[in-house]
This record gives sequence, structure tokens and C-alpha cells, in this order.
Amino acid sequence: DAGVIQSPRHEVTEMGQEVTLRCKPISGHNSLFWYRQTMMRGLELLIYFNNNVPIDDSGMPEDRFSAKMPNASFSTLKIQPSEPRDSAVYFCASSFYGGISNEQFFGPGTRLTVL
Amino acid sequence: EDQVTQSPEALRLQEGESSSLNCSYTVSGLRGLFWYRQDPGKGPEFLFTLYSAGEEKEKERLKATLTKKESFLHITAPKPEDSATYLCAVRQAGTALIFGKGTTLSVSS
Repeated sequence: DAGVIQSPRHEVTEMGQEVTLRCKPISGHNSLFWYRQTMMRGLELLIYFNNNVPIDDSGMPEDRFSAKMPNASFSTLKIQPSEPRDSAVYFCASSFYGGISNEQFFGPGTRLTVL
Repeated sequence: EDQVTQSPEALRLQEGESSSLNCSYTVSGLRGLFWYRQDPGKGPEFLFTLYSAGEEKEKERLKATLTKKESFLHITAPKPEDSATYLCAVRQAGTALIFGKGTTLSVSS
């Protein structure tokens, strides 16, 4: 398996622009997570899905952030409009909920810079 | 209030110099404590899961232990390739993890 795939790997955009981050989870996994990592706050959970249904979005910072999971093999995280304080590395992770250990497998991340 | 606290923030060791990293947690109803390794520019990589006090797991030079309030990651005779940031996370109900801010380990030869 190729692991969790994220695109793009790097994104540089200007304040006010819309940004869309994409994630393909590991085949067979039924839970998907979006995290944001910064030096100040570490790794923070934004939202997670079980069986394509959003379960907890309490970590989404503002209404400017939205996430979708239209099917088991694809998810997007959208920021509209983007702001400089959104600059961070965004990780997608997947796991098999209901298994023995539930470990999450992370993608390589998308480094977002908002100018 | 922080639920997962890792210490120290940074640790410098000489090759072969054993040490331990600490992860203390305040969550109730723990349903798993996880250790991850993160290399620069990469996503966290799963190392261990511990579920109950007294449990231990080993992988090469790493050994993780768990008590009711904290976990330790012991590194025996580290090598330069063990240099990375080590993240601890806890799981309560559901599947979400709460991460600590990590310990950055540097091992010099």
C-alpha cells in the first residue's frame, strides 16, 4: 500500500485566496483525521470522520475552514478565505476503527504558507 | 489545561548514552497511549500503543512503559539515526488522539 497520500506537498498563496488540501487514506481504513501542526501549538486535531461521516469538528478554528469526505477514498480540507495565521503543516491520517489498536497512519503533510 | 505534557522539550545525548523521555497525562478513561516518531519534513510514524498500567513494549533500542499517570520512552545506547522528535498521544472515547508537543532528541557521534 502506498500509505496516506496528500496533495499538494507545498502550497504558497496570498491572503484572501481559497486553499484546498487533498487526502487519500489507506485502502480499508474507515477513520480519517485532519491535523494542523505549528511550533507554538504542536499537533492539533481539526476534524475526524468515521465511515465518511464527520464525528467531531470542534477543532476547526473558524467558519473559514471546512472539510468533506465524499467517499471512503478521498477527503478535502478547504480554507476560504485564507489568512497568514493559517500558515502551518496540515496532516491527514487514517486508521481502522474497530480494530485492536487503532493506530493512526499519517501522510507526509502539506506545508501551507499564506502571504 | 494541558492534558498531555512531554518533557524535556529537547534532549541532547552522546551516542551510547541512555536516557528516558517522559509523557504525563491527566485524561480520565484512558483508552490507549501512543508513541510516534517524527523526522523533519515528514509525518509522524507510529511506534507503540500501551493500554494498561504496567504494560511494556520494545522495538530495537526503544522501550515504552506505562503507569496510571505517565509513560516513559527509554532509549538504550542511542545512535545518531535515533535523532527525531518523539510524540506522545492519548485516546479517550472515540478514535481521536490528543498529542503532546513532543521531545526533540539529538544524538551525536
